[in-house]
Amino acid sequence: DIQMTQSPSTLSASVGDRVSITCRASQSINNWLAWYQQRPGKAPNLLIYKASSLEDGVSSRFSGSGSGTEFTLTISGLQPDDFATYHCQQYSTFPWTFGQGTKVEIK
Amino acid sequence: QVQLQQWGAGLLKPSETLSLTCAVSGGSFSDYYWTWIRQTPNKGLQWIGESTHSGSTYYNPSLRSRVSISVDTSKSQFSLKLNALTAADTAVYYCCRATRPRLFDYWGQGTPVSVSS
Repeated sequence: DIQMTQSPSTLSASVGDRVSITCRASQSINNWLAWYQQRPGKAPNLLIYKASSLEDGVSSRFSGSGSGTEFTLTISGLQPDDFATYHCQQYSTFPWTFGQGTKVEIK
Repeated sequence: QVQLQQWGAGLLKPSETLSLTCAVSGGSFSDYYWTWIRQTPNKGLQWIGESTHSGSTYYNPSLRSRVSISVDTSKSQFSLKLNALTAADTAVYYCCRATRPRLFDYWGQGTPVSVSS
């Protein structure tokens, strides 16, 4: 299985900050990488696919970059609704696997 | 608007079988992969398996010997069975819709499942 490793596990930030989360794959996944946002008690919600493409209806404050084995999710101008947990997922190789999640919390 | 509504027993004993069902409303039932994913605090999200509308199934190798996913196209429903439960199967279980390629774009509300004697 392809292992997905996110860093950091927890990130403390303030409203208005720009933050970045890294996701590393154990082998190349080209750009077959998605990001999900999960609010407490809710199911994950698809934000970005193909490493950098924004899902319909998702704020342009979210952006993704990277290819191969290293990827980044950036949130510009953190809003109160953005304090949540973020997961990366590879869909290059069966079985589909996720990172362990990064919690963005209020400083 | 696509909606997934799931249900099933949430408190089970070791060695029992987990049974969950998910009903899909809105959208096509035939163009997607109907998927189960679970989440634990320690291991995060784990893809369990999927089925097409015609019943072709694909399972996570780590669970393949214990899992079964079936579909009922007449009701736009799909179901999960996981047998020989242990405490390690305690998790929140989600049903979801997967595209080709495998993006999970609609999710059920989640069912907390606890396995304890």
